Amino acid sequence: DAKTTQPPSMDCAEGRAANLPCNHSTISGNEYVYWYRQIHSQGPQYIIHGLKNNETNEMASLIITEDRKSSTLILPHATLRDTAVYYCIVGGNQGGKLIFGQGTELSVKP
Amino acid sequence: SAVISQKPSRDICQRGTSLTIQCQVDSQVTMMFWYRQQPGQSLTLIATANQGSEATYESGFVIDKFPISRPNLTFSTLTVSNMSPEDSSIYLCSASQSRNQPQHFGDGTRLSIL
Repeated sequence: DAKTTQPPSMDCAEGRAANLPCNHSTISGNEYVYWYRQIHSQGPQYIIHGLKNNETNEMASLIITEDRKSSTLILPHATLRDTAVYYCIVGGNQGGKLIFGQGTELSVKP
Repeated sequence: SAVISQKPSRDICQRGTSLTIQCQVDSQVTMMFWYRQQPGQSLTLIATANQGSEATYESGFVIDKFPISRPNLTFSTLTVSNMSPEDSSIYLCSASQSRNQPQHFGDGTRLSIL
């Protein structure tokens, strides 16, 4: 599975958009990009995933570059409850395994 | 999405003992996985629980230490055997409908070994 690179931490003001970047330059053609978040003492929560096209759901938007070497997760109006560790993962083509990196710790501040 | 329930949610155990963690899914799923999250760390995949056959373990994890069962499409167990303080971690179960569908996670079992 391809590896990902994320900044270890980011801050965002409450009510503003949070843009979380992820580099995955070794992604292969049939690997998906998945985003999860983990709030303290809970299991990871699925946010969104995509293959080539940009995706949007009720939680977030996922922007994938045309060459698929990087992506951005957008939380359009961050709230204090969005404070969490966000994981960008590429995979799914090796028996569905997901290999977690260290993620980005997002702090949403009032 | 599937709802994953784990039991127990937490436990404190004596070294040398074993504990079996249960994972129940509210719908039939193709794939189930077990992860470990050591304090302050990210998740590490232990194994893929295969229905009707032996689990597939990741490098660094062995069946004698972490035996796994998957008797049907909604249930799996992970046993942590002969526990030592280094096994103190959160153990998480996940499930997905297929290899390209997202995995959904339980809230984990917080295990402390004295």
